[in-house]
Parts: sequence; structure tokens; C-alpha cells
Amino acid sequence: GAVVSQHPSRVICKSGTSVKIECRSLDFQATTMFWYRQFPKQSLMLMATSNEGSKATYEQGVEKDKFLINHASLTLSTLTVTSAHPEDSSFYICSASDRGGGRDTQYFGPGTRLTVL
Amino acid sequence: AQSVSQHNHHVILSEAASLELGCNYSYGGTVNLFWYVQYPGQHLQLLLKYFSGDPLVKGIKGFEAEFIKSKFSFNLRKPSVQWSDTAEYFCAADPLSGNQFYFGTGTSLTVIP
Repeated sequence: GAVVSQHPSRVICKSGTSVKIECRSLDFQATTMFWYRQFPKQSLMLMATSNEGSKATYEQGVEKDKFLINHASLTLSTLTVTSAHPEDSSFYICSASDRGGGRDTQYFGPGTRLTVL
Repeated sequence: AQSVSQHNHHVILSEAASLELGCNYSYGGTVNLFWYVQYPGQHLQLLLKYFSGDPLVKGIKGFEAEFIKSKFSFNLRKPSVQWSDTAEYFCAADPLSGNQFYFGTGTSLTVIP
């Protein structure tokens, strides 16, 4: 149980285009989803926390207009990187938590490797 | 700045050797602590977590970790590693007063049969 998927697993795009990454909880209802990014040889950095049906809470330094997060249902959250640039190239990982779980109980997706040319 | 440090970037051990991976956090308040494991080609999975109570926490697959408040440490241990323990190990901290969740940079463990 508690499986989280991400799609796509890998994406390459041109600079200036927008890319959407999906995060799905396959066998549970995710009231909260978290988005992280990881640069090579660095830690996972929490970008934002999204609760179903409400606006995401972004961490300091994360541009909310650039990284659009939508959590419209209890099983799906999307991260859209708008007008992507090479410096946005990174590994994006989502995690999901069910009712009452919060940050204490996170189930992680496999990640999405974004490369911006 | 608040952070989590993992001092060992890459550890190589023979099977049956004992393991200890270091983790230090820089936060003075109440903090929940975690160890996650990522096996090759798989997702991050929770190994164990500490919230309060007994500072020696036992997790899955024979792993344990000890919370030492005075040292701001939460080191991961296993008395006898197996080849199947080859993976990336991440320490993480959740300062309860904020919204952040801090990960260390990870330690890659290779166990040689």
C-alpha cells in the first residue's frame, strides 16, 4: 500500500517552455502533498506544501509564479514549471500524506528528472 | 541556518560488518527525526523515526538510531550489514515550530558480498 507515482519520470524541454509534472497517490487519499527538488550531490529541498482544495504554501525563496502547484483532488497534485530555464534543471520529487499524517508520514514518488536545454 | 549534516558521503563495507552513519542537525527546539532509505531504482522509504520517549529507536530490517540531544545527533546503526542493505540513506529533521522539512545530502552505502 501507500504508493505514489510521478509522471513523467524524465523530461527534456527547450528554454522558455512550460512543463507539467504529475504526482498521484495510487491507493490512498492524499490530503497533503509535498514537492521537493534535488540538485546533484545536494539535499532534497522542500519547495511547497499543498493541501487538497487550497492554495499551496511555498517555502522561502521559491517563486510561486514560476512553480505552479495545483492539488485539485485527493489523489493528484501537479507542479508546472513555467517558462523553464536551464537553471531549473533538477530532480523533482513529490511525497504524499494521508489524513492526519502530515510531514510525519510521507510516501515518496520516484521523482522526475527535468532537463532544460 | 537550520540544516542536517551527514558526514559520510560514501561508505563501503563487507557483509557482516557493523554500520554507523552519522547525522547531525542544527536546531535548538523540539525536532522530529527520520532516517529514509532509497534502494537502487526505488522510492525513498521510511526506515525509522524519533518523536519523543526512548532515544533508542528501532526500525525495519534491523536498523536502529540513537537520539543524543546534547550532541544534536541521530546516528543510524546496524550490527551486521547485508548485501541487500546497499542503498542511499538520508537523515531528515522536522522542526515542529516551522513548515520546513530538512534532508541531509545522503550517504551511499555499498556492501560487498
